[in-house]
Amino acid sequence: IAGITQAPTSQILAAGRRMTLRCTQDMRHNAMYWYRQDLGLGLRLIHYSNTAGTTGKGEVPDGYSVSRANTDDFPLTLASAVPSQTSVYFCASSPTSGNTDTQYFGPGTRLTVL
Amino acid sequence: KQEVTQIPAALSVPEGENLVLNCSFTDSAIYNLQWFRQDPGKGLTSLLLIQSSQREQTSGRLNASLDKSSGRSTLYIAASQPGDSATYLCAVYNSGGGADGLTFGKGTHLIIQP
Repeated sequence: IAGITQAPTSQILAAGRRMTLRCTQDMRHNAMYWYRQDLGLGLRLIHYSNTAGTTGKGEVPDGYSVSRANTDDFPLTLASAVPSQTSVYFCASSPTSGNTDTQYFGPGTRLTVL
Repeated sequence: KQEVTQIPAALSVPEGENLVLNCSFTDSAIYNLQWFRQDPGKGLTSLLLIQSSQREQTSGRLNASLDKSSGRSTLYIAASQPGDSATYLCAVYNSGGGADGLTFGKGTHLIIQP
């Protein structure tokens, strides 16, 4: 069982470029999440999806978009990357919308925007 | 806006000691509180989840308590081992509306000296 996979593992990106971070889970979880982790700021929620076909904004959604076309995949897109989006990005999932369930995290994508 | 604070930010103790990590949150309207472990360069691993109606949860040498009315949680680690060295993160799932996701503290960096 793979759990949650994220790709790429790391990426260096020029400012202004478009980038999609991929997240796939094989646990058939309904809810999925994207967080970013920054030194001194901790983890912050970017976007979430309670079920396939629905998405919502988290604490820091600006500059990011998501889609949830099916249960397994939850890609995060940076339309035009800026240096402040340099961070480690974690995808997570939970069986339901999370108010009773543990969230399971992927290994993360380290993104550097120059 | 929910804020989660973890004290201390860092802790170094000799192997074998019992220790307590503290977490406080400003808004008591939560569904649950979760403790995670994060090893350097890795994703998060869930340790314990306490529902808002519960007072504590135990798993092996770990015991987490929750006092929702005072906005506090503690993670007790018994008979610490060098393998316990990691960053420990506390997170709450809010029930008061807003985004459906976890609000994290900044973590306690724990070092267990052999």
